[in-house]
Amino acid sequence: DVKVTQSSRYLVKRTGEKVFLECVQDMDHENMFWYRQDPGLGLRLIYFSYDVKMKEKGDIPEGYSVSREKKERFSLILESASTNQTSMYLCASSRTALLTDTQYFGPGTRLTVL
Amino acid sequence: KQEVTQIPAALSVPEGENLVLNCSFTDSAIYNLQWFRQDPGKGLTSLLLIQSSQREQTSGRLNASLDKSSGRSTLYIAASQPGDSATYLCAVPNSGYALNFGKGTSLLVTP
Repeated sequence: DVKVTQSSRYLVKRTGEKVFLECVQDMDHENMFWYRQDPGLGLRLIYFSYDVKMKEKGDIPEGYSVSREKKERFSLILESASTNQTSMYLCASSRTALLTDTQYFGPGTRLTVL
Repeated sequence: KQEVTQIPAALSVPEGENLVLNCSFTDSAIYNLQWFRQDPGKGLTSLLLIQSSQREQTSGRLNASLDKSSGRSTLYIAASQPGDSATYLCAVPNSGYALNFGKGTSLLVTP
């Protein structure tokens, strides 16, 4: 079974802090994704990566950056956390860049910014 | 941009009923459509993926159908159980490899 893990289930940070959310997949998948999920807005793509050191902006990249130094790990960085970044963050991966491939999701990180 | 809509937003049924969840999409040029389940506060679990060349997929009590020409998919749940209570999301891939999600149908199956 594919396993996607996220570093924290719950996280509380203060405004202005630098926040790192980490995601690891154990199936040698090429693609990795970061989404955020908010009530009434659904899931929205922040960034994705199709290879090591490669990244593409999604629909809402502002205020975020990402890092993929190793194939299995994809980090989401909030350079200076703000209260409007309080959300559920979901990481996903897929085997290849083919659009026919299934995406597998991690358990999510519930981030609260005070 | 592809828009994905799910109706109804919420549904409550008594245990044992068969039910249908609906998903519609605006651009019929899709590669596949995927149905997910999400339990409260948890991540997403993939239930079924239908490729564009397929009309339906089955897994246990779940059956998903796809009609590309009309821009619709349905998820049929047979003999519903309280354990089926969750939010069900459908999603289609966009040209950038990520998924466009509907906002989900929140299902409650009462004993």
